[in-house]
Amino acid sequence: DAGVTQSPTHLIKTRGQQVTLRCSPKSGHDTVSWYQQALGQGPQFIFQYYEEEERQRGNFPDRFSGHQFPNYSSELNVNALLLGDSALYLCASSSVSYEQYFGPGTRLTVT
Amino acid sequence: TQLLEQSPQFLSIQEGENLTVYCNSSSVFSSLQWYRQEPGEGPVLLVTVVTGGEVKKLKRLTFQFGDARKDSSLHITAAQPGDTGLYLCAGSSGTYKYIFGTGTRLKVLA
Repeated sequence: DAGVTQSPTHLIKTRGQQVTLRCSPKSGHDTVSWYQQALGQGPQFIFQYYEEEERQRGNFPDRFSGHQFPNYSSELNVNALLLGDSALYLCASSSVSYEQYFGPGTRLTVT
Repeated sequence: TQLLEQSPQFLSIQEGENLTVYCNSSSVFSSLQWYRQEPGEGPVLLVTVVTGGEVKKLKRLTFQFGDARKDSSLHITAAQPGDTGLYLCAGSSGTYKYIFGTGTRLKVLA
């Protein structure tokens, strides 16, 4: 049974560019949440997707957007990248129990 | 704004010692989770507590949820080098959003 998978593992982008990160949830899970984790900090909630809709959003600007597909996989898009967007981006999947299972993350570096 | 503060921030102990990590907030949470995260990996769920005063044990780890559901603790007995990592607490107040604590970085020396 595959756990949560994320791609790519690492990514280097230039300021002003756009990036798309991908996540496949654990089998049987229908909810995907995205988090940003800066170095030395705890993860910060970006948003959560359920039934292909954004169900809840944290304090992140509109440059951060997402999508959930019918197979429950999800994408996180970030436009107009800033140096401060450099972080580990984590995807977590869950189902009715709300217990979250995290993927290994995508390390984004903005130069 | 809901905040979860963890203490201590850093802890370095010898193998075999006991330790306690604290997670405190002024907000009430309907559930609280503890995770361990290793470098370059995502957090791994250790336990979820939902009832005030609840105590859960996972081998040498004991988790407690405060009576008022505003705080939690993680106690490790006879720490081992394999316990090394970043310990994170995360609380939910009934919405779909989890607030993470600042983390406690534990190093257990052999």
